[in-house]
Amino acid sequence: DAGITQSPRHKVTETGTPVTLRCHQTENHRYMYWYRQDPGHGLRLIHYSYGVKDTDKGEVSDGYSVSRSKTEDFLLTLESATSSQTSVYFCAISAETGSSYEQYFGPGTRLTVT
Amino acid sequence: AQSVSQHNHHVILSEAASLELGCNYSYGGTVNLFWYVQYPGQHLQLLLKYFSGDPLVKGIKGFEAEFIKSKFSFNLRKPSVQWSDTAEYFCAVNADGGATNKLIFGTGTLLAVQP
Repeated sequence: DAGITQSPRHKVTETGTPVTLRCHQTENHRYMYWYRQDPGHGLRLIHYSYGVKDTDKGEVSDGYSVSRSKTEDFLLTLESATSSQTSVYFCAISAETGSSYEQYFGPGTRLTVT
Repeated sequence: AQSVSQHNHHVILSEAASLELGCNYSYGGTVNLFWYVQYPGQHLQLLLKYFSGDPLVKGIKGFEAEFIKSKFSFNLRKPSVQWSDTAEYFCAVNADGGATNKLIFGTGTLLAVQP
C-alpha cells in the first residue's frame, strides 16, 4: 500500500463548514495527488503536488485548496463544504520504478455533507 | 483535452467466461497506459501498465492488455473469469510525458461475475 494513510476515514459535516482531509506517506515520494470518486465519473483529479510547497490544480479544483508543508503530508481543505462535495476522496502517490512509474492509492475518506 | 472512454459501464459474466473490457483514449502522442481494479469497499490497485516495448502486457491475476496505437485502444482481457474478479475496473492514461505523472481516468466498468 506504499505506506499511505488518510484521515479521517469517514466524516459527516454540515453545509458551510470547513473540512480538512489529511494524507500521510512514509516513503518520501515527491508526487502526491488528491482525487474524488463519484458514480459515473470515475476518479477526477482535484489537486496535485510535485514537492514541498509546490502544488497545482487538477480538473475539478473549484472549492478546494491544498497545502504541503512537509514531504510526508498533503492536506485537502474544503473551505465551505457543499452537498456537491459529498464523495469519496482518495490520496495517491507516484512511485518511480526504473524507467516507469505507477500511482498507489490510500484507503480513501468518505465525506458526507448534509 | 485528453480523455479516456470506457464504453462498457456494467458487464455481467458467468464464471469461466472470457472477458474483454474496452478502453480508448484521445491523445495522439506518447502515452503511458494503466488498468486499475477496485474491489468492493477497497482502494484502487494496479493491474498492469504499458510504457513501451511489447504492446501485449501481462499483469497480475491472469489479466492482460493490448496496446493498439492505430486504434488508440488499450483493452483489458482475461480468458476465464472467477467470482473473485467481481470489481470495478478503471483505465487510465498519462499524456504529459511523465512530467507530473498525472493520470486521467475513465469512468469505470463494473464487472459482476456470477458463480
